[in-house]
Amino acid sequence: DAKTTQPTSMDCAEGRAANLPCNHSTISGNEYVYWYRQIHSQGPQYIIHGLKNNETNEMASLIITEDRKSSTLILPHATLRDTAVYYCIVRVLNAGGTSYGKLTFGQGTILTVHP
Amino acid sequence: NAGVMQNPRHLVRRRGQEARLRCSPMKGHSHVYWYRQLPEEGLKFMVYLQKENIIDESGMPKERFSAEFPKEGPSILRIQQVVRGDSAAYFCASSPRYTGVVTEAFFGQGTRLTVV
Repeated sequence: DAKTTQPTSMDCAEGRAANLPCNHSTISGNEYVYWYRQIHSQGPQYIIHGLKNNETNEMASLIITEDRKSSTLILPHATLRDTAVYYCIVRVLNAGGTSYGKLTFGQGTILTVHP
Repeated sequence: NAGVMQNPRHLVRRRGQEARLRCSPMKGHSHVYWYRQLPEEGLKFMVYLQKENIIDESGMPKERFSAEFPKEGPSILRIQQVVRGDSAAYFCASSPRYTGVVTEAFFGQGTRLTVV
């Protein structure tokens, strides 16, 4: 699976958009970009994933550059409860698309949302 | 639909005892994964199981650790003769089998093992 690079920490004011970048310059054509977050002491929580196109769900938006070498997770209106460690994970799914849960977590970005 | 259930949430063991951690996957999920998070460190993959089969145990320590996912009942992560270095949070995740749609895995709230 491709290696990712994320800033160690970021701050964001409550109510503003939080934009979390991720570099994955060695990504292959069949590798997906996944984002998870871990709120203190809890289990990781899935946020969003994408392959080529931008994606949006009720939690966030994922913007993937055209060359797929980087992506940005956007939390449109950050709240205090969004304070967490955010992990960008790039991975290929094996034949048949199984093993969705075998993930390589890096150090992630510690996002702190301020009042 | 209940999420991934892990128990106990907290477990205290003395050095040399055995620890058994249980994980019940989400309904309809047949794949289970175990992760370990040492204090102040990241999550590390340990093992991937399907019903009655270990698919990938590349992250499991070579000794004292074992995992199973029987036909009936929860998945069990077993640590024999625990040492202080085993103190960590152990997370379980589950996912469905492939149905043609790329999806994700769901994590439980973890079991925090403390070895005294």
